[in-house]
Amino acid sequence: SQELEQSPQSLIVQEGKNLTINCTSSKTLYGLYWYKQKYGEGLIFLMMLQKGGEEKSHEKITAKLDEKKQQSSLHITASQPSHAGIYLCGANMEYGNKLVFGAGTILRVKS
Amino acid sequence: DTGVSQNPRHKITKRGQNVTFRCDPISEHNRLYWYRQTLGQGPEFLTYFQNEAQLEKSRLLSDRFSAERPKGSFSTLEIQRTEQGDSAMYLCASSLNSIGTEAFFGQGTRLTVV
Repeated sequence: SQELEQSPQSLIVQEGKNLTINCTSSKTLYGLYWYKQKYGEGLIFLMMLQKGGEEKSHEKITAKLDEKKQQSSLHITASQPSHAGIYLCGANMEYGNKLVFGAGTILRVKS
Repeated sequence: DTGVSQNPRHKITKRGQNVTFRCDPISEHNRLYWYRQTLGQGPEFLTYFQNEAQLEKSRLLSDRFSAERPKGSFSTLEIQRTEQGDSAMYLCASSLNSIGTEAFFGQGTRLTVV
């Protein structure tokens, strides 16, 4: 969906390095979801953010939603080969409406 | 509960044939989504249901595509007179409600039209 812009499109990092993926919208987001996908497989739910300024962490992955609820970032600390995959952000662009997705960010982690 | 289940996982069909995919959502999940994903792209919204009611269909969904969710449980997505451009991964997701609840995906059905 062009309503959600993800950056960068792809990323190659050295194992152990930190990285950040961004998801931006021109509209207020009523629910922001982060997923991880391995090639050819379904999406694995990572985190959901709803409130402006909200931040959640799971293991070495932290996601934040800005105060205006128009931008989210996903930060991975000390990346590992297991973090490699496609990261997708999804959002409800209107209250109670459908979930739409960005184009995804391909992450490769070099050992 | 084993999560969202999609069948079949893979389908190869000849152009012009009809195909039907099935999605079994997590039990008690009211909302069910269908998406299509091609290589290098994010999931593209096709349609979604709130219980048995189909609330929205994408403008990209031609008349050859139809989805149902009888009794608000499992859902089927049918493609009639398949075309090569229909080749894609078809993903199903379900959530308990519309806002504030996680949406979980199935493993998808990979369709190849030859």
